[in-house]
Amino acid sequence: AQSVTQPDIHITVSEGASLELRCNYSYGATPYLFWYVQSPGQGLQLLLKYFSGDTLVQGIKGFEAEFKRSQSSFNLRKPSVHWSDAAEYFCAVAGSGNTGKLIFGQGTTLQVKP
Amino acid sequence: DADVTQTPRNRITKTGKRIMLECSQTKGHDRMYWYRQDPGLGLRLIYYSFDVKDINKGEISDGYSVSRQAQAKFSLSLESAIPNQTALYFCATSDWDTQYFGPGTRLTVL
Repeated sequence: AQSVTQPDIHITVSEGASLELRCNYSYGATPYLFWYVQSPGQGLQLLLKYFSGDTLVQGIKGFEAEFKRSQSSFNLRKPSVHWSDAAEYFCAVAGSGNTGKLIFGQGTTLQVKP
Repeated sequence: DADVTQTPRNRITKTGKRIMLECSQTKGHDRMYWYRQDPGLGLRLIYYSFDVKDINKGEISDGYSVSRQAQAKFSLSLESAIPNQTALYFCATSDWDTQYFGPGTRLTVL
C-alpha cells in the first residue's frame, strides 16, 4: 500500500538559514510526488510536483525538491528561509496511473525564528 | 474570486445532528474530493468523484455521504454527527494531475 512519512513533526530554523524537510514514500511503481504548504487558516497550496524527468524540481516561493528513487525520498529544500515561510508542509504521493487519489504525510510544522 | 469555495467556514453542531458541508469550484474540473485533516494525521480522503455519475469511497467514508449536484458542486453530509468527526474538512478539485484546495471548513461536534 502507498504511504508517506514525514519524520519531522516540528522544525525550527532561524530566518536566513537553509531548510530541508524530509519525505519518504512507499510505492511499488513510479510515484507522482507533491509538496503542499498550508499557512494558518488557509487551504493547501501546491509548491511543486514531480512526475518524471529531471529529479530536481523547482517550485514556487524559492523551494526545490529532489527525487531520489534509491532512497524513496522527496525532500524539500530552500536555501534561505523567510519569516513568511512559517507554515505546515505536506508531502503527498499519487499512483503513476494517476487516479487522482493523493496519500498525504502527517505534515511538518515549520517555525521561523527572527 | 477563489477557484474553490467552501461553506460554511466554521460550524459548531451537536451530537446526532445532520450537517452538510458545501463545495463549489469554478475551475471547470470534473474531479472533486473531500478530505478531513486531523492534527498529526495529515489529510485523509473521505470521498471522491470523477464526474457527476461517478462517486467513490475513500479511506474513511464511514459516517459520511456525498452528493455531486453538478460538475461544479460537491457536498459532504454527516447524517448523525459524532464528536470524533470534529476536524478541518477540505474540498479539492483537480485536472488530471494537480489538486487545488478550498480554504477548509472547521467543524466542531459537541
